Amino acid sequence: GAVVSQHPSRVICKSGTSVKIECRSLDFQATTMFWYRQFPKQSLMLMATSNEGSKATYEQGVEKDKFLINHASLTLSTLTVTSAHPEDSSFYICSASGPGSYEQYFGPGTRLTVT
Amino acid sequence: AQSVTQPDIHITVSEGASLELRCNYSYGATPYLFWYVQSPGQGLQLLLKYFSGDTLVQGIKGFEAEFKRSQSSFNLRKPSVHWSDAAEYFCAPIIQGAQKLVFGQGTRLTINP
Repeated sequence: GAVVSQHPSRVICKSGTSVKIECRSLDFQATTMFWYRQFPKQSLMLMATSNEGSKATYEQGVEKDKFLINHASLTLSTLTVTSAHPEDSSFYICSASGPGSYEQYFGPGTRLTVT
Repeated sequence: AQSVTQPDIHITVSEGASLELRCNYSYGATPYLFWYVQSPGQGLQLLLKYFSGDTLVQGIKGFEAEFKRSQSSFNLRKPSVHWSDAAEYFCAPIIQGAQKLVFGQGTRLTINP
């Protein structure tokens, strides 16, 4: 149980375009979802926390207009990178937790390359 | 300020040898504590967690961790490592009542045959 999927696993887009990444909890209700960014050989950096039906809470320094997060259902959250630039190239990871739970279950990640 | 430190960036051990990965935290109150493993091409997987009670916790894949309040530590151990244990390991505390995990810098484990 507690499986989280991400789609796509890899995406290449041109500079200036937008790209959407999906995160799904497959077998539990994810009341909270998290989006992280991970640079090569570095730790995970939390970008935002999203509670179902509410606006996401962004970490300091993360541009909310650039990284649009939607958590419209208990099984799906999306991250849209708008007007992508090469510096947005990174590994994006989502996680999800259930009601009242401190455990986060992680998706496999999405490798974004902006050319 | 709240922080978590994994002092060892990279550790190399021989297959069959014992392993200890260090994690120290600095919080006003004792946080809940997690260890996650990230294997290449895979998502982070929870190895074990500590909330309260017995300070020696058992996890998956033969791992265990010991919570030591006096040392603000939660070190991960395994008696005999396998080549498949090569991965990145993250310690992550969370404040009781909060939602956010705070990840340590990670320790990369390499296994020599």
